[in-house]
Amino acid sequence: GAGVSQSPSNKVTEKGKDVELRCDPISGHTALYWYRQSLGQGLEFLIYFQGNSAPDKSGLPSDRFSAERTGGSVSTLTIQRTQQEDSAVYLCASSRPQETQYFGPGTRLLVL
Amino acid sequence: AQSVSQHNHHVILSEAASLELGCNYSYGGTVNLFWYVQYPGQHLQLLLKYFSGDPLVKGIKGFEAEFIKSKFSFNLRKPSVQWSDTAEYFCASPPPGGFKTIFGAGTRLFVKA
Repeated sequence: GAGVSQSPSNKVTEKGKDVELRCDPISGHTALYWYRQSLGQGLEFLIYFQGNSAPDKSGLPSDRFSAERTGGSVSTLTIQRTQQEDSAVYLCASSRPQETQYFGPGTRLLVL
Repeated sequence: AQSVSQHNHHVILSEAASLELGCNYSYGGTVNLFWYVQYPGQHLQLLLKYFSGDPLVKGIKGFEAEFIKSKFSFNLRKPSVQWSDTAEYFCASPPPGGFKTIFGAGTRLFVKA
C-alpha cells in the first residue's frame, strides 16, 4: 500500500493476556519505529529497527514487551501478560534513515 | 543526554493571533530537524523539515520554522493561526550519526474561533 498500515486498529483484552500488534511499513523503508502514546502524554519511543535488527531497544518499558521484524518489512510488537497501564495507542512509523517518518494510524489497546 | 525540548505544553490562542512554539535540541554537529503535527483523530504527519541550506524553512499551511545553530533551536511560527490549526505539535530530531529520532514532549495548541 501507499502508507504505513497497522492492525488491529483496536484491541480490547483482559489483564494477563498476551497481545500482538502488527505494522506494515512503506515498501523500501529500512527504518521502522514503535512508539506509545498514552492519554495526555507525549510520544514515548519503544524500539527502532534498521532492517531486521534492533540496535535500540532502550524504550521497551519491561521484559513483557518484545518486537521482531522479518524480511526487512513487517514488524510485530508483542506484549505478554498485559497490565492496565499498557493501555495506550501504539504507533508505528517507517522511514529511510534520518529522513521523514511516516506514521501509521495506530492500534488502540485497552486492557481491562 | 541527547534530548529535544519543547517549552510549551499547552497553548491557547484566538484566531488571527501569532504563534511561536519553542524547540531546542541538545547536541552539536550536523542536525536534521522536523516538526510533526497530529490533528484530532488523524495520523501524525510531517509539517516541515530542515536538513541544510536556508535556515528559514517553509512548511504546509503557512507554517515556518527557523534553525538557529547558535541557540540549538528550531522554533515553529505562524503569523496568523486559524481554528483548524488546533492540534498537537511535535519537534523531533535524530542525533548526528544515529537513526533513532528523538521527539519532544509535544505542544497542544487550541485555537478559539
